[in-house]
Amino acid sequence: AQSVTQPDIHITVSEGASLELRCNYSYGATPYLFWYVQSPGQGLQLLLKYFSGDTLVQGIKGFEAEFKRSQSSFNLRKPSVHWSDAAEYFCAVDPTGKLIFGQGTTLQVKP
Amino acid sequence: AAGVIQSPRHLIKEKRETATLKCYPIPRHDTVYWYQQGPGQDPQFLISFYEKMQSDKGSIPDRFSAQQFSDYHSELNMSSLELGDSALYFCASSLAASNTEAFFGQGTRLTVV
Repeated sequence: AQSVTQPDIHITVSEGASLELRCNYSYGATPYLFWYVQSPGQGLQLLLKYFSGDTLVQGIKGFEAEFKRSQSSFNLRKPSVHWSDAAEYFCAVDPTGKLIFGQGTTLQVKP
Repeated sequence: AAGVIQSPRHLIKEKRETATLKCYPIPRHDTVYWYQQGPGQDPQFLISFYEKMQSDKGSIPDRFSAQQFSDYHSELNMSSLELGDSALYFCASSLAASNTEAFFGQGTRLTVV
């Protein structure tokens, strides 16, 4: 069965530090891949997506993600974190027309 | 640009009552998805519709039903509400032919007391 794993439930980084959130998926072929961000009590905002082509994708708010087929990974990165980036981050895959989400990673940003 | 509209934003119901959640997709979008996100959980797919027909079904309880109308808006009907139904319910829409991502609404927070 398709699944998404976000190994880190909670991550704390200092403002200005770099960030990497991990995501691994399980699926026979290459699914569509997404990263969403959710602030408390809010909806899901799409940060970036990968459908095909260049494996390094750029998103909004300075985020990028790299698809690595050999590792079945789609890790999210940001070179310098801002306090406003504190939120819940969800990796998701769409193998068959509906999204399957990972468990989420809560990002806390220290001043 | 127009986004996915969900109403109401907040809803409080008592156990065993019914609730109806509404979703208005982005204009021209023909596919609607419903997700349920429990406290501290990731969103779980409930059901989807394409061109007013059910296209996929996930972990939706039998007490819940949904439909998509001729104007493409969708309603999620929930009966015999239980405390465990308290969650954030998201609707998302997409245009099937363009093969793009689904856009999410702000969600309806349902609290069952």
